[in-house]
Amino acid sequence: QVVLVESGGGVVQPGKSLRLSCAAAGFTFSSYGMHWVRLAPGKGLEWLAVIRFDGSAEYYADSVKGRFTISRDNSMDTVYLQMNSVRAEDTAVYYCARDYWAVGTRKGYFDYWGQGTLVTISS
Amino acid sequence: DIQMTQSPSTLSASVGDRVTITCRASQSVSRWLAWYQQKPGKGPEVLIYQASILQSGVPSRFSGSGSGTEFTLTISSLQPEDFATYYCQQYDTYWTFGQGTKVEIK
Repeated sequence: QVVLVESGGGVVQPGKSLRLSCAAAGFTFSSYGMHWVRLAPGKGLEWLAVIRFDGSAEYYADSVKGRFTISRDNSMDTVYLQMNSVRAEDTAVYYCARDYWAVGTRKGYFDYWGQGTLVTISS
Repeated sequence: DIQMTQSPSTLSASVGDRVTITCRASQSVSRWLAWYQQKPGKGPEVLIYQASILQSGVPSRFSGSGSGTEFTLTISSLQPEDFATYYCQQYDTYWTFGQGTKVEIK
């Protein structure tokens, strides 16, 4: 079955960097786009970034553009989120999710999610 | 950017109740609307996509309707395992979530 497992979270000081990983299993990873989404304390879900199945394109939310970078290694079935210049407001649980196009469409919703990894920004 | 607004933010209900959650988009998203359920400590799970199509494995008590800017999620008879937070998401232009609706035990 499809499994997504995030790792790399922890406590980081403001202004520092952190790299999150999401290991995938149970499907042909190289055929799917992948997303990162976060859930901050007391807030709702926030989409952060997407990368195409072949890594040829990436898109970001304005809140993280220029600070975060999404990448993938299809040989390792893993997607990454490099977080630079982190701020207190980046404190959240970070999820990876698979992009899925229903038959006959070219718009993707998120059909599988990981359990999340907690990132805390604190001095 | 497309903004998504859900109402109510919190809903108190009893087992067996019919529950309806509303989601409004700041501009038309056609039928590119999904609904997710999230329980504490877990990742979200998709319930509905394309506004009204039930994801495989999701109980039939969940249903979705709407198009354009107005959408609803209905739970026909609330079960104990349905107490959770629900999010709508537009996927017409990038991706945006509503702020969530917490369904609590009355």
